[in-house]
Amino acid sequence: EAQVTQNPRYLITVTGKKLTVTCSQNMNHEYMSWYRQDPGLGLRQIYYSMNVEVTDKGDVPEGYKVSRKEKRNFPLILESPSPNQTSLYFCASSLSRGVNTEAFFGQGTRLTVV
Amino acid sequence: AQKITQTQPGMFVQEKEAVTLDCTYDTSDQSYGLFWYKQPSSGEMIFLIYQGSYDEQNATEGRYSLNFQKARKSANLVISASQLGDSAMYFCAMREPYNNAGNMLTFGGGTRLMVKP
Repeated sequence: EAQVTQNPRYLITVTGKKLTVTCSQNMNHEYMSWYRQDPGLGLRQIYYSMNVEVTDKGDVPEGYKVSRKEKRNFPLILESPSPNQTSLYFCASSLSRGVNTEAFFGQGTRLTVV
Repeated sequence: AQKITQTQPGMFVQEKEAVTLDCTYDTSDQSYGLFWYKQPSSGEMIFLIYQGSYDEQNATEGRYSLNFQKARKSANLVISASQLGDSAMYFCAMREPYNNAGNMLTFGGGTRLMVKP
């Protein structure tokens, strides 16, 4: 089954404690992105990757890092989480770049930073 | 300026009735794509329907249709014969081709739909 898998689904952590949210897709997609969802703001892109070892900042990259060492995996790293990073996070992948390309989303990771 | 505006934070609809969720967008590109997603309380994002800017006919997918008015820059989602399972958050999103190396979708703030039995 074609899917994007994120882990964990829920995470509560303390300020400053490094964490990683994993994302893996099994569709051989080139494009992968991380979004965060906040009330009233919809989803905003944090980082994206066009292929292995190619990543760049989205609209809200501060406080986040990513890596793309393999095509299927795109982890999101918070080196020193802060309470303003409490949010719902989504990983997404798409086959290629194009206005009509469908994005496949992971199940979401609800992160709380206390 | 907001690229995607959803002016209805919350809406109620009676079961079996039709409902329209509003979405207006702002772009200077001639080519773009418009998407609607459903997010139930479990949190996942479910793709509902797509409309391309050059598509001459309004998109339809089962009970979902998109009322696309290009000149007014609106892409409203119409759900016919509402069901209890339609209660969810709905997001309108747009993808533009230019200055978009990340293939980013730009989302509106969402509309929470509640279906009354």
